[in-house]
Amino acid sequence: GAVVSQHPSRVICKSGTSVKIECRSLDFQATTMFWYRQFPKQSLMLMATSNEGSKATYEQGVEKDKFLINHASLTLSTLTVTSAHPEDSSFYICSASVAAPPNYGYTFGSGTRLTVV
Amino acid sequence: GENVEQHPSTLSVQEGDSAVIKCTYSDSASNYFPWYKQELGKGPQLIIDIRSNVGEKKDQRIAVTLNKTAKHFSLHITETQPEDSAVYFCAAANTGNQFYFGTGTSLTVIP
Repeated sequence: GAVVSQHPSRVICKSGTSVKIECRSLDFQATTMFWYRQFPKQSLMLMATSNEGSKATYEQGVEKDKFLINHASLTLSTLTVTSAHPEDSSFYICSASVAAPPNYGYTFGSGTRLTVV
Repeated sequence: GENVEQHPSTLSVQEGDSAVIKCTYSDSASNYFPWYKQELGKGPQLIIDIRSNVGEKKDQRIAVTLNKTAKHFSLHITETQPEDSAVYFCAAANTGNQFYFGTGTSLTVIP
């Protein structure tokens, strides 16, 4: 159980275009999903917390107009990188809370490798 | 907020030897400490976790210990195998469900 599906796994786009990444909880309802960015050989950097039915909460320094997050249902959250530039190239990972505290867990998607050319 | 430090950043061991990765945290309110294994190009996978009411947990070759007083927890892998080679992340979380990750340890098991 507790599977998070993330698509696409890899995407190459031209500079200036937008890219959408999907994160789905397959066998549970995720009221909260998290989006991370990971540079090579570095740790996961939390970008934003996505709450179903409300606006996402962005971490300091993350441009909310550039990284659009939509969490319209209990099983789907999307991250759209708008007007992508080469510096946006990175590994993006979503995760979802499995249950409420104190028995909570964290399941990660398989990640999306974004390359902007 | 919470600050999680992880050491070492890289670790090489001979196959069959043990590997130990250590993490410290700063927020005494943290009560959940998971460990994740990330293989190249993939998302992190939970391998073991421990809660603050437990001092040690073991799952086959993997064990985690927690010292609440000193605010540190460690991952122990015994009888290492080449497939254990990966990046390992520790994390600390509190009841607010905010997770804070360590900086990762790249483990290489030499056949």
